[in-house]
Amino acid sequence: EPEVTQTPSHQVTQMGQEVILRCVPISNHLYFYWYRQILGQKVEFLVSFYNNEISEKSEIFDDQFSVERPDGSNFTLKIRSTKLEDSAMYFCASRERSGGWAEAFFGQGTRLTVV
Amino acid sequence: TQLLEQSPQFLSIQEGENLTVYCNSSSVFSSLQWYRQEPGEGPVLLVTVVTGGEVKKLKRLTFQFGDARKDSSLHITAAQPGDTGLYLCAGADLIQGAQKLVFGQGTRLTINP
Repeated sequence: EPEVTQTPSHQVTQMGQEVILRCVPISNHLYFYWYRQILGQKVEFLVSFYNNEISEKSEIFDDQFSVERPDGSNFTLKIRSTKLEDSAMYFCASRERSGGWAEAFFGQGTRLTVV
Repeated sequence: TQLLEQSPQFLSIQEGENLTVYCNSSSVFSSLQWYRQEPGEGPVLLVTVVTGGEVKKLKRLTFQFGDARKDSSLHITAAQPGDTGLYLCAGADLIQGAQKLVFGQGTRLTINP
């Protein structure tokens, strides 16, 4: 069964360092998302990506964040200068189509720890 | 700002009992998904409800979407220890466009043998 895969599963980084979280969405999907979940809190939307550009972003997704689809398969989230409060689980998700309703499938997440 | 409130946040019951988890909002959603999340893992989709009043069954789990598409419920019949976990509801905000998901805070369910 097709699935969304994320790497690494756990990343520890020093405050101020850049990190890149990687995702391989399901191959025929068109919409891609990043969500995050701070420990004990809700899953929060960060950004959606469609047709090689950001289609919507939340207020959390400030200038420190960027997304890219560098080739036909990978979808990345970059945090330029990490802060302690960026520590969270980051989930990539993908959805098959742009119109009508379609289910979003999530990866297993990357646990980011900023020290 | 769209919000989804789940209740209860924690529920601990004995094996064999029935339970209902609620997901409420003042906003209308185009669809609503229920996920189950294990510790340290991503949400796993259980079901999507789309039409107001829709009822879907998944073995002992029954999902209902409110008539006005603002609320939903998950009912589990004869709960089993294997049902233990975190249940999340998530509403999709538009039929067109990004369809980002707004999540509830989750219901942590514990089924005691």
